[in-house]
Amino acid sequence: GAGVSQSPRYKVAKRGQDVALRCDPISGHVSLFWYQQALGQGPEFLTYFQNEAQLDKSGLPSDRFFAERPEGSVSTLKIQRTQQEDSAVYLCASSDTRRDSDNSPLHFGNGTRLTVT
Amino acid sequence: QKEVEQDPGPLSVPEGAIVSLNCTYSNSAFQYFMWYRQYSRKGPELLMYTYSSGNKEDGRFTAQVDKSSKYISLFIRDSQPSDSATYLCARGRSNFGNEKLTFGTGTRLTIIP
Repeated sequence: GAGVSQSPRYKVAKRGQDVALRCDPISGHVSLFWYQQALGQGPEFLTYFQNEAQLDKSGLPSDRFFAERPEGSVSTLKIQRTQQEDSAVYLCASSDTRRDSDNSPLHFGNGTRLTVT
Repeated sequence: QKEVEQDPGPLSVPEGAIVSLNCTYSNSAFQYFMWYRQYSRKGPELLMYTYSSGNKEDGRFTAQVDKSSKYISLFIRDSQPSDSATYLCARGRSNFGNEKLTFGTGTRLTIIP
């Protein structure tokens, strides 16, 4: 079946612009994560949803970052007033793990590469 | 000190060699240790995971955790050019499907034909 799909694949924004990054998780997956991967670094956790509930947003770097998953499937990561330090690959991952169930690995999308000029 | 430390490389080895990739971690409150492989311009994909200490083998890959020294290793036998990628170690506190992971920097590996 289809994997995690992210769009756009590449986004160039001028400093100060708002951007919206979309994630389509694997159908039926309950858990959804956003990670940020800077060049030459490992992914860093941003936020986590279980269905439509945002259970952890401790990794969001500032209040310019906002994520939502209103119907418990597609998720959008929005960055307002982009800065150069926001340039990175934004990865979405999903899992069908429910609470108290067996382990289930994360399935990552191929990311959106954001460049802020 | 970062919670998970990994030598970024790059590491180049000839085809057929045994590759050893390593990470150290600083917090003992973790039960799950994972290795992800990431090809260029792709998302990470899970290679292996281990729970607590010990070894786990899957084909040419062996994952090893030494909790006493806080050391995580991945061994690749009979390395192939298709193994050329960035390898990321990661740890999680519990059931990793619904809890955030902490990743190392990643080691970029090139297998030379």
